[in-house]
Amino acid sequence: DTGVSQNPRHKITKRGQNVTFRCDPISEHNRLYWYRQTLGQGPEFLTYFQNEAQLEKSRLLSDRFSAERPKGSFSTLEIQRTEQGDSAMYLCASSRDSNTGELFFGEGSRLTVL
Amino acid sequence: AQKVTQAQTEISVVEKEDVTLDCVYETRDTTYYLFWYKQPPSGELVFLIRRNSFDEQNEISGRYSWNFQKSTSSFNFTITASQVVDSAVYFCALLLEGTNAGKSTFGDGTTLTVKP
Repeated sequence: DTGVSQNPRHKITKRGQNVTFRCDPISEHNRLYWYRQTLGQGPEFLTYFQNEAQLEKSRLLSDRFSAERPKGSFSTLEIQRTEQGDSAMYLCASSRDSNTGELFFGEGSRLTVL
Repeated sequence: AQKVTQAQTEISVVEKEDVTLDCVYETRDTTYYLFWYKQPPSGELVFLIRRNSFDEQNEISGRYSWNFQKSTSSFNFTITASQVVDSAVYFCALLLEGTNAGKSTFGDGTTLTVKP
């Protein structure tokens, strides 16, 4: 296990379609986070899981977005009825069970909505 | 509300030059953590350093050094004798105590290009 894995790395879709991204965190990490990053900006927090429980969601996470972590291991982020404004890099990170711990990021999934 | 400002959008240097990346933060909290992350072209952010608000001691790690000054709310990052592999986007981030680690406030990043 070498790090956080995300797939697909790139996704091009037409407006109105649904897309799903997957994140496999570092195996011993309890905490998992999703972020959105647009060009020229830092990551923006979307949501956070501790084990299988989704403990926090940002206001950025509209009704069209849903995230799951069913068994406390991998997580999925689904975007329904995609809009052009959803085009961004979606980053996943994991960490140990600590509020001050460093975050380990995946390489991201880049979404382009045409 | 907290804020992180990285005023330098892009910096370009020639290999072996020293370069300093600036980070200024705003918060009313007295206990917080500051971070630097590196984002190479491959995309993943790589943790470089964490500093808590009570520890103003500067830190050196190889060619990297960090200068934390609470009086000016700055946490600057210096790369000595830069190398082409240092080319990346560097992010400074602020995390308030008691906030979950994922809710760090990130700056907009500084793109560093090191030319051979």
